[in-house]
Amino acid sequence: DAGITQSPRHKVTETGTPVTLRCHQTENHRYMYWYRQDPGHGLRLIHYSYGVKDTDKGEVSDGYSVSRSKTEDFLLTLESATSSQTSVYFCAISRQGDQPQHFGDGTRLSIL
Amino acid sequence: KQEVTQIPAALSVPEGENLVLNCSFTDSAIYNLQWFRQDPGKGLTSLLLIQSSQREQTSGRLNASLDKSSGRSTLYIAASQPGDSATYLCAVKSGGSYIPTFGRGTSLIVHP
Repeated sequence: DAGITQSPRHKVTETGTPVTLRCHQTENHRYMYWYRQDPGHGLRLIHYSYGVKDTDKGEVSDGYSVSRSKTEDFLLTLESATSSQTSVYFCAISRQGDQPQHFGDGTRLSIL
Repeated sequence: KQEVTQIPAALSVPEGENLVLNCSFTDSAIYNLQWFRQDPGKGLTSLLLIQSSQREQTSGRLNASLDKSSGRSTLYIAASQPGDSATYLCAVKSGGSYIPTFGRGTSLIVHP
């Protein structure tokens, strides 16, 4: 399996607090992606990165920001968490844009 | 905008049957199509990737085909087993930014 580690794996927090999720890869892949998965909506892209400090928005980017200061780390931040951001968050990597994606095990985030 | 549809949404079959899962997409200008498996509470596991220049890919009991002109891909599972029970998703990469579009998945149950 691709070396992808998401942390934390589970988190419960309160509305209005900042939250940062981390995706760490050991594969030296160029592309990294953040998704959320919700019943009835499937997988939706939040943000993605195509290189260090190169990021762009996905389908559901409002309320989220990302940073990639090193090839191996891609951080997803919820500046002020809301209950609608309760979800399972997945990180994925891809060596190049036209290469297969590999997924992490996910972070289950609950915002009360 | 690319749209990906998977039919059926759910499927229940007895062990030993040969299965066909369908994935259709609206924009035929794709880079590749990838099939995944997702077990409950887990991340996505890559099964097969078909590049736009290919017609099919095989891995063990799995065979995926691609017909770009008709906007369709099928995942064929031979001699199904209870361990094949999972949700199967397809994802299409298209457009200039290598952004994947996911289908909602087919939930498969193989009963003994």
